[in-house]
Amino acid sequence: GAVVSQHPSRVICKSGTSVKIECRSLDFQATTMFWYRQFPKQSLMLMATSNEGSKATYEQGVEKDKFLINHASLTLSTLTVTSAHPEDSSFYICSASSPGIMYQETQYFGPGTRLLVL
Amino acid sequence: TQLLKQSPQFLSIQEGENLTVYCNSSSVFSSLQWYRQEPGEGPVLLVTVVTGGEVKKLKRLTFQFGDARKDSSLHITAAQPGDTGLYLCAGLTSTSGTYKYIFGTGTRLKVLA
Repeated sequence: GAVVSQHPSRVICKSGTSVKIECRSLDFQATTMFWYRQFPKQSLMLMATSNEGSKATYEQGVEKDKFLINHASLTLSTLTVTSAHPEDSSFYICSASSPGIMYQETQYFGPGTRLLVL
Repeated sequence: TQLLKQSPQFLSIQEGENLTVYCNSSSVFSSLQWYRQEPGEGPVLLVTVVTGGEVKKLKRLTFQFGDARKDSSLHITAAQPGDTGLYLCAGLTSTSGTYKYIFGTGTRLKVLA
């Protein structure tokens, strides 16, 4: 199956610093990548949809200036949490998707990045 | 806002018992996927259902998509401790040529040996 990697897997940073998380599709080209956020014991919340070569589409309530998304190639998307605060601490998961049979587009998930802001 | 509500929220059962998890919405989805997630990992796709009324079986797991494509169920027969995890449904929506997935609220299952 398709493999998606995320780096780093864990990061601890001080409040006010910025953190970049990378999401890579290793063996396929992903026209679309999704970024999710998951709080403990909760479900996944879609933050934004990223299409290669175009601006990301953010979900309502997600600050685009705080969560910068870049999808520069068909295999790499990055999420930068700017001026991180303790409330940004969470599990961030990306998924990558490629065109498929209509309505059966499959997304392949990365292993997630746990961010802790002190 | 499209919402997918799962029930029950938590379930703790003995090995060998059967269980059903429900995923309900007032919105229509193009397709619906079920995932299982282990702590600290990304979700793993179990199945995709596309057609209203569709039933798919994966060993001891049976998935059904509602006729109106607004709801779905996951039935596990003879649950085993290895089935323990967070089960998530996700509905696929599309507008103007773009698509995204809306995740359900999740069902945390614990199967006791």
